[in-house]
Amino acid sequence: QVQLVQSGAEVKEPGASVRVSCKASGYTFTSYDINWVRQAAGQGLEWVGWINPMSGDTDHARKFQGRVTMTTYNSINTAYMELTSLTSEDTALYYCARGTSIDVWGQGTTVTVSS
Amino acid sequence: QAVLTQPSSLSASPGASASLTCTLRSGINVGTYRIHWYQQNPGSPPRYLLNYRSDSDNQQGSGVPRRFSGSQDASANAGILLISGLQSEDEADYYCMIWHSSAMVFGGGTRLTVL
Repeated sequence: QVQLVQSGAEVKEPGASVRVSCKASGYTFTSYDINWVRQAAGQGLEWVGWINPMSGDTDHARKFQGRVTMTTYNSINTAYMELTSLTSEDTALYYCARGTSIDVWGQGTTVTVSS
Repeated sequence: QAVLTQPSSLSASPGASASLTCTLRSGINVGTYRIHWYQQNPGSPPRYLLNYRSDSDNQQGSGVPRRFSGSQDASANAGILLISGLQSEDEADYYCMIWHSSAMVFGGGTRLTVL
């Protein structure tokens, strides 16, 4: 079945970087964009950005300008999101999700930023 | 003013219907957007329900019951998620989403209580 499986929880100090992975299975990886969405505890959903695995094109929300990098390793059907210069406000559950309709979601990766 | 506004909460009785609204900011015409809807239970990633642009242009998510349907209210400039025959398992948070100016935008979410 179509599935997105993400890497495990991360705990980082302020100012550090984090990289989250998202491995796809059950469909042709290069046929759909991968979006990244985050959710702080008790809060709503916030879009981070997307990457097109075929072309490598990316785009992201303005608030992450200069801090987010999205890549894919197509031979292993895996997408990555790296976020730098972390602050406590980046503490959240990070999801990868498929396509422009985001019809399939990963299980989420908890990123905790704390000193 | 937020791009998408959802009521924070809604209550309805089992067996009844619930109409969840997603109001677009003034100046953004609902008729020109495809509105996507998601259901989220505590501790789980969002689940894709459907998208709606018009009566002739809409898609149901895989495995989503036909009790969930989409529509629009042009006079209110709002997208609507209608859930008929409410069941206790429908109690969840519901989010709407559009692509606006090349960015993914979510509504703040509606907590639906079935009691």
